[in-house]
Amino acid sequence: DQQVKQNSPSLSVQEGRISILNCDYTNSMFDYFLWYKKYPAEGPTFLISISSIKDKNEDGRFTVFLNKSAKHLSLHIVPSQPGDSAVYFCAAITGNQFYFGTGTSLTVIP
Amino acid sequence: DAGVIQSPRHEVTEMGQEVTLRCKPISGHNSLFWYRQTMMRGLELLIYFNNNVPIDDSGMPEDRFSAKMPNASFSTLKIQPSEPRDSAVYFCASSRDRKETQYFGPGTRLLVL
Repeated sequence: DQQVKQNSPSLSVQEGRISILNCDYTNSMFDYFLWYKKYPAEGPTFLISISSIKDKNEDGRFTVFLNKSAKHLSLHIVPSQPGDSAVYFCAAITGNQFYFGTGTSLTVIP
Repeated sequence: DAGVIQSPRHEVTEMGQEVTLRCKPISGHNSLFWYRQTMMRGLELLIYFNNNVPIDDSGMPEDRFSAKMPNASFSTLKIQPSEPRDSAVYFCASSRDRKETQYFGPGTRLLVL
């Protein structure tokens, strides 16, 4: 049972444009959400997080939006850069339970 | 700090053999996590330790998998006997607390023939 879903396995965006990565979840008890970025042959690295009491968190070019009524999370990258090309995982936490999505591979085209 | 250290980085073994994966968390981190990454299921949490005590092992696939954390600086994930379907990348991560940022190791790529 996939409680966190990333329905787009891949996404291609032109350099300088906005990248929007989406994540849907099913458990309304999730109280903390995170985005991780992963390059090939490396472990995931933390990117940005958001608590369920907020609907937006911004860090430089990265903004995470949370829509609790729709159980939807999105990561916006503006402007996109070639170095952003990686696999992005969303994750959700409730209690001692951690769930990751299957990832979206982002390619930023120069 | 060197970050989370995992060994070996790659492991190729035959079905039925015992496999032991090792992890050294970041010093001072109280929480340690073992994950498995596959194409089909993405990143799955296998087990989570807090202060060396297993808190949640509900993600461990079956009895063939076991994990230990004998002290704050070392953990092992053992598969005995291994099967081809265990082939995956296994990540270890640590954090100061369960909701703090998790820092991942480079992973161990396991291939069971």
